[in-house]
Amino acid sequence: SQQGEEDPQALSIQEGENATMNCSYKTSINNLQWYRQNSGRGLVHLILIRSNEREKHSGRLRVTLDTSKKSSSLLITASRAADTASYFCATDATGTASKLTFGTGTRLQVTL
Amino acid sequence: GAVVSQHPSWVICKSGTSVKIECRSLDFQATTMFWYRQFPKQSLMLMATSNEGSKATYEQGVEKDKFLINHASLTLSTLTVTSAHPEDSSFYICSAKGGASGSYEQYFGPGTRLTVT
Repeated sequence: SQQGEEDPQALSIQEGENATMNCSYKTSINNLQWYRQNSGRGLVHLILIRSNEREKHSGRLRVTLDTSKKSSSLLITASRAADTASYFCATDATGTASKLTFGTGTRLQVTL
Repeated sequence: GAVVSQHPSWVICKSGTSVKIECRSLDFQATTMFWYRQFPKQSLMLMATSNEGSKATYEQGVEKDKFLINHASLTLSTLTVTSAHPEDSSFYICSAKGGASGSYEQYFGPGTRLTVT
């Protein structure tokens, strides 16, 4: 399977704390994307980082990419209860015409 | 922003019947649409890629005769689950990609929950 791995599988933190999720993948990529999915809902695109970028910020989100290790991390700072969701990384591998391969996902629970 | 809709949002059908799910790009032309399946508490698995006006490309292990995909226009793709069985019960999600060269972003629909009884 080419599916990426994410860890942790589940993460429970208190509001205000930071949450870090990691993603590893197997192939060369054009870009890596992070998505959020609330239970039983569609996906919300969070951020895209290209293969030639190492770090990207968007609001409370910080994404890093290490292509030599084939890994990425998503940091959510100052978490809120509304951040409770599943988070998936997805890779756009080179030569695949934009097909996305999703990671296994991290279920984040933010408690008050 | 780009919006993708799916219809229906949920459907219950009896075993042996066929179900059609529509995926529409509402404010852009989608040259490519993707269909994914997601089982409970699992990740999304790509089923097939469809390009407007041509046959869909199915991923390994996905039966093309069971999951019929039609991408008849630049704003509409349909997935028909034929002779559905309980094991086909899942959350089906489509995404659409615009035609701009170098545009990587896919826009996802809200998903369709299929329950086969």
